[in-house]
Order: sequence, then C-alpha cells, then structure tokens
Amino acid sequence: EDQVTQSPEALRLQEGESSSLNCSYTVSGLRGLFWYRQDPGKGPEFLFTLYSAGEEKEKERLKATLTKKESFLHITAPKPEDSATYLCAVQARSNDYKLSFGAGTTVTVRA
Amino acid sequence: NAGVMQNPRHLVRRRGQEARLRCSPMKGHSHVYWYRQLPEEGLKFMVYLQKENIIDESGMPKERFSAEFPKEGPSILRIQQVVRGDSAAYFCASSPSLGNEQFFGPGTRLTVL
Repeated sequence: EDQVTQSPEALRLQEGESSSLNCSYTVSGLRGLFWYRQDPGKGPEFLFTLYSAGEEKEKERLKATLTKKESFLHITAPKPEDSATYLCAVQARSNDYKLSFGAGTTVTVRA
Repeated sequence: NAGVMQNPRHLVRRRGQEARLRCSPMKGHSHVYWYRQLPEEGLKFMVYLQKENIIDESGMPKERFSAEFPKEGPSILRIQQVVRGDSAAYFCASSPSLGNEQFFGPGTRLTVL
C-alpha cells in the first residue's frame, strides 16, 4: 500500500524566515507526486506535479523538488498569506487515478 | 470557468437519516473522485467515477455508502442510515482525463448528531 509521511506536523515561521517541508513516500512505481495547499474550511488547491527524480518546479515563493524517496517544498521569505496546510500526495502507475495523501504540514507565518 | 461545485456546504443529520452530497465537476471534466477527510486525519480516497460508470469504489465502505455520476446532472454521494462516525468533510475532485491534476471542490461538512 502506498504510504506518505509529512514532516513536521506544524511549522511556525517569522515573516521572511525560509524553511522546508518534507514528504517521504513509498509507492510501487511512482507516476506523480502532487503538492496542494489547503486553507481552513476550504478544499485543497493544486500547486505542483512532479514526475521524476531531479525535477523542480517553482511558483512565487514556493519551490518543489523530488528525489526517489522524498519531496521537499521550500518556502522562501514567507509572508503571512502563505499560512496554510500543505498536503503531499502520490499517484502510482498501476493506479493512475487515486491520490494517496499525507496528513499535511500546517504552516503559520507571523508578521 | 467555474471550479468544482459542491452542495450543500454544510449538512446536519440525525443518526439513522440519509445524507446526499452533490458534486458538479469543472466544465469539460468527465472524471470525478470523492475523498473523505476525518478530523485530524488526511484525505482518503473513496470512489472514482466516469459518466454512468463506477470505476473503483475500493475506498468506500461496502454498507450504507453509494455513489453515482449520471449522464445528466451532478455526481451524488449517498450515505444511508448515518452514524456519528460518518461526521467528516467530503471532498469531490475532477479531472479532464486520467492522470491529470485533480481539482477539488470546497467540500461538504457533514455533522451527524
């Protein structure tokens, strides 16, 4: 069974203090790794898809990277509006419709 | 282009009643997925549907839960004889084809009294 573990569970940052979130995964044949952002009371918002080790994608202050065992979401010079829960999910080649999610990392950025 | 629509946003039911959750996918999307998010837990896959077909319902409890995506109209997730343990946020997602990014709706928060 696919497994996704995210760490830390919670992260409190000062505005401008860069940090990284980790997503470790076990999947039989990775098709894709997905990052989503979820605000309280709302649905997950798609951020990135990564398909192969070494791949990187960027969007504003966020940068996602992928290795064969884990993915990192780097937040550079965060702002309070970056406060959210960040979710990581994997999709297996054998099951290319099902997303298996981690429990998420809740990021709080203080001004 | 409107996003994924779900209604109602909040639903309160007493034990033993039925809950019906509706999902309208994004325009042009024919693949619908339902996920459940229990308090303090991650999102869990429940069911994958295409128009008029259930493709995979392996994540859905075999009793009391059913899903459909008719030729016309929204996808429906139906929970019969609800129990307190069904209280959760239910999210619908859609994609234009297999393997594409899934776009999520705002969710329906079900509370069972």
